[in-house]
Amino acid sequence: DTAVSQTPKYLVTQMGNDKSIKCEQNLGHDTMYWYKQDSKKFLKIMFSYNNKELIINETVPNRFSPKSPDKAHLNLHINSLELGDSAVYFCASSGDADHGYTFGSGTRLTVV
Amino acid sequence: GNSVTQMEGPVTLSEEAFLTINCTYTATGYPSLFWYVQYPGEGLQLLLKATKADDKGSNKGFEATYRKETTSFHLEKGSVQVSDSAVYFCALRSHNNDMRFGAGTRLTVKP
Repeated sequence: DTAVSQTPKYLVTQMGNDKSIKCEQNLGHDTMYWYKQDSKKFLKIMFSYNNKELIINETVPNRFSPKSPDKAHLNLHINSLELGDSAVYFCASSGDADHGYTFGSGTRLTVV
Repeated sequence: GNSVTQMEGPVTLSEEAFLTINCTYTATGYPSLFWYVQYPGEGLQLLLKATKADDKGSNKGFEATYRKETTSFHLEKGSVQVSDSAVYFCALRSHNNDMRFGAGTRLTVKP
């Protein structure tokens, strides 16, 4: 299936731990994104990569580090997790500006 | 900068009622406009889009028309179903590729 797939779907971890979320797209898109969705459903862009190069890096703590080994993958590593990091994280990819984004199904991160 | 404002929810309707969710935008140039739908526990799915003024996007009985003169892209459906219960996001994408989302509107349809 052509899609954006992200793993894991659920992640429960303790404060202070380091965790990674993986994302892969097989749509041939050049640009990939990470979004954070809070409990009120508000979507905040975190990072954007175009063909493995960082394009957008919004005001995000430097505990969050994206890694793009190739244009089909954009992983998110989070160091020293905090309670406030609990949210749903979405990966997305896109082609040109006339087209929308294709989203993954999300990773629900719970920090306890 | 570019931004999207959509009506605050939640919106609660009875089955077969008419739906309107308002969306207005601020942008330089001529962005493409989108509506996304997020069903419970899922990611966002593209519902419809319009890429230029006066275009009408439509899908699954939903429609929205790109109105440049009022900078609006209101979502409408003539007869909602329980299965339409979801969160709806209006979004715009400028030609520098940056997509901006509205805050989302939660729709609940009751039988």
